[in-house]
Amino acid sequence: NAGVTQTPKFRVLKTGQSMTLLCAQDMNHEYMYWYRQDPGMGLRLIHYSVGEGTTAKGEVPDGYNVSRLKKQNFLLGLESAAPSQTSVYFCASSYDDSDQETQYFGPGTRLLVL
Amino acid sequence: AQSVTQPDIHITVSEGASLELRCNYSYGATPYLFWYVQSPGQGLQLLLKYFSGDTLVQGIKGFEAEFKRSQSSFNLRKPSVHWSDAAEYFCAVGVFQGGSEKLVFGKGTKLTVNP
Repeated sequence: NAGVTQTPKFRVLKTGQSMTLLCAQDMNHEYMYWYRQDPGMGLRLIHYSVGEGTTAKGEVPDGYNVSRLKKQNFLLGLESAAPSQTSVYFCASSYDDSDQETQYFGPGTRLLVL
Repeated sequence: AQSVTQPDIHITVSEGASLELRCNYSYGATPYLFWYVQSPGQGLQLLLKYFSGDTLVQGIKGFEAEFKRSQSSFNLRKPSVHWSDAAEYFCAVGVFQGGSEKLVFGKGTKLTVNP
């Protein structure tokens, strides 16, 4: 049971390049989330999914797209990377147990956009 | 709008001393409250959570937190800090929107432990 895993761990992009971050969970969780963490800002929700085939916008969705084609995977895409997207990205997943959801986090992906 | 405030950006304590990290929230309904810890270069680990019932919640690594509705607070405590507790601590409130729960995080408190 690996929990929540993220690929890659670190990536450097040039402005305008695209990339996809992969989040995978093996806990059969329905809900999955993408956050970004910036110094002094805590974590902010980018997009989330309440089940396979569904996605929704969070607090800071602009410049990102997501897909949830399989229950265990949640992909975060940057179509045209900008320096403002330099951040650490965390994925999380949770189950719905009588509304008492607990989110479990992955180890993070550090992204640098030059 | 929902929000979480952690008033202390950085706290330094000596090993063996007691610790209290403050958290205040703003949320109209009954809150679900969480404390997470993040070690350098690592992801977030859940320390404890409050959903309902006893307002004093026990967590892992000897931490506890007390929910005080009248003060809109959920402060984290530990009676005796260990050097390995040096990390960043995040308080979060669970907010229900659009049929699912989302977490709103505070900006974190960095804990330094002196030997």
